[in-house]
Amino acid sequence: RKEVEQDPGPFNVPEGATVAFNCTYSNSASQSFFWYRQDCRKEPKLLMSVYSSGNEDGRFTAQLNRASQYISLLIRDSKLSDSATYLCVVKTGGFKTIFGAGTRLFVKA
Amino acid sequence: EPEVTQTPSHQVTQMGQEVILRCVPISNHLYFYWYRQILGQKVEFLVSFYNNEISEKSEIFDDQFSVERPDGSNFTLKIRSTKLEDSAMYFCASTPVEGNQPQHFGDGTRLSIL
Repeated sequence: RKEVEQDPGPFNVPEGATVAFNCTYSNSASQSFFWYRQDCRKEPKLLMSVYSSGNEDGRFTAQLNRASQYISLLIRDSKLSDSATYLCVVKTGGFKTIFGAGTRLFVKA
Repeated sequence: EPEVTQTPSHQVTQMGQEVILRCVPISNHLYFYWYRQILGQKVEFLVSFYNNEISEKSEIFDDQFSVERPDGSNFTLKIRSTKLEDSAMYFCASTPVEGNQPQHFGDGTRLSIL
């Protein structure tokens, strides 16, 4: 089983759609969770941290289920500028950070 | 907003040569990281560095690689005897403290081995 696994994608959605990304992780001792976005040939940029109670930042909502070792990201009212690859990132105890392979999102007019 | 800076943005090197990739982390950050991303693949952890020593490294980070903080600002990744498969984007990242802090990434160095 991969350490961090994401939907393979790509997702093609119209503007204004709601889109959900899923991620699972294998190490139950994982401590910190994040969603990053990465534009083509650019560096990963932090979208949001993910907290156990769930958290929201504008159109973005992140959820964490530790029992199921599952993380999600919901984007509401998709914009063209949301087109990117979304990376699920998990930190285990210690300093190691594991990236998922990413899910590509295309938002079309 | 302070940022992590990396130089050069693109490095082209002959196979077998040594390269040094440079990073200037955010000034009050204490934890530093290197990652690589081969074209079309996922971001892979290489090494973390704290208090002038390696705190963790992946299986990718073998004897070919080394890291150094030669002064108070720079953090370098040296790759010896480069191979074609070392061609990738190399990202530096830093955090102020450990634990739940997200990492701030530089915009990367594209390394091309010919």
